Amino acid sequence: AQSVTQPDIHITVSEGASLELRCNYSYGATPYLFWYVQSPGQGLQLLLKYFSGDTLVQGIKGFEAEFKRSQSSFNLRKPSVHWSDAAEYFCAVDISSNTGKLIFGQGTTLQVKP
Amino acid sequence: DAGITQSPRHKVTETGTPVTLRCHQTENHRYMYWYRQDPGHGLRLIHYSYGVKDTDKGEVSDGYSVSRSKTEDFLLTLESATSSQTSVYFCAISTRTDPPYEQYFGPGTRLTVT
Repeated sequence: AQSVTQPDIHITVSEGASLELRCNYSYGATPYLFWYVQSPGQGLQLLLKYFSGDTLVQGIKGFEAEFKRSQSSFNLRKPSVHWSDAAEYFCAVDISSNTGKLIFGQGTTLQVKP
Repeated sequence: DAGITQSPRHKVTETGTPVTLRCHQTENHRYMYWYRQDPGHGLRLIHYSYGVKDTDKGEVSDGYSVSRSKTEDFLLTLESATSSQTSVYFCAISTRTDPPYEQYFGPGTRLTVT
């Protein structure tokens, strides 16, 4: 069955440090991949997406993600974290290219230390 | 801002009562989705719609029904609410008319079933 795994439930980093959030998926075909961010009490905001082509994609707020087909991964990175990046991050995979049915990972909560 | 509103934003109801949540979009996007968010589960798709009167089930559709009589409105109904349906419900739309269908989310409705 298709699935998305975010191995880290909670991550704490110091402000200014680099960040990498992991995402692994199980899906037979070429996936469409997304990262969303959710601030407390808010809806989800699309950070970036991978559809095809260059495997390193750039998103908003200085985030980037790299698609690695051999590892079935789509990890999110940011070179220098800001306190405002504290939020919950979700990786999602489109399992049906005809209808946009998304499967989400469980989420990773990011805490930023001053 | 994808112009999505959800109503009500908060609701407390009793077990066994019917509940309807509304998702409204200000533009005529074809695809609309209902998700629920629970701790440890990320978001899970309940139902989606690909046009007026065209709907289909997601991965957690039991106990829920939907209707879409107008392009701009997508209604989610809990026919007889249960405590297990206490959750935060998010509506999403896709602004694309062909794959891949990246999605944009509304602010959410927090539903408590007592």
